[in-house]
Amino acid sequence: EDQVTQSPEALRLQEGESSSLNCSYTVSGLRGLFWYRQDPGKGPEFLFTLYSAGEEKEKERLKATLTKKESFLHITAPKPEDSATYLCAVQGWDYKLSFGAGTTVTVRA
Amino acid sequence: GAVVSQHPSRVICKSGTSVKIECRSLDFQATTMFWYRQFPKKSLMLMATSNEGSKATYEQGVEKDKFLINHASLTLSTLTVTSAHPEDSSFYICSARVGGNEQYFGPGTRLTVT
Repeated sequence: EDQVTQSPEALRLQEGESSSLNCSYTVSGLRGLFWYRQDPGKGPEFLFTLYSAGEEKEKERLKATLTKKESFLHITAPKPEDSATYLCAVQGWDYKLSFGAGTTVTVRA
Repeated sequence: GAVVSQHPSRVICKSGTSVKIECRSLDFQATTMFWYRQFPKKSLMLMATSNEGSKATYEQGVEKDKFLINHASLTLSTLTVTSAHPEDSSFYICSARVGGNEQYFGPGTRLTVT
């Protein structure tokens, strides 16, 4: 069974204080690892897909990296608008996504 | 990116009635659509996978007679919660696979059963 564990559960940052979120996983036949952002009462918003170890992707203040066992989402110089829950998911051979519980990030001005 | 819509965004119904939720891919044809359920402060749990023109595949523990899924076209899937009870109250979210690996999610439907 595919498993995804995210840490920490919650992260409170001061504006400009960079940090990293962790996603460790076990999956049979990884098609891809996904990062989504979810705001309260909304559906997940696609951020990145990573396919192989060593791959990195960036979007504004966010950078995602992937190893064979885990992925990191780095938030550089965060702003209050980066406050959200960040979800990590792995996609197996059957295209199904298995989600972690998420990391709720709060950025204070 | 690809846009997925859901309707309604919120619905309140009485116990024992049925509710239908629509999921549409607006600017692409979806190979596959997925239905998820999310409890407060919890992550998404996959309920079923739906392909156009064929029966949905349900995850273990999901009652197929309670959660009816119809995938009538490449742009529309519907989830009907039959004989709803308060424990069915939840946030229901659909997603659509474009053809590659990416899945794009709808905005969700908040169901409250009184």
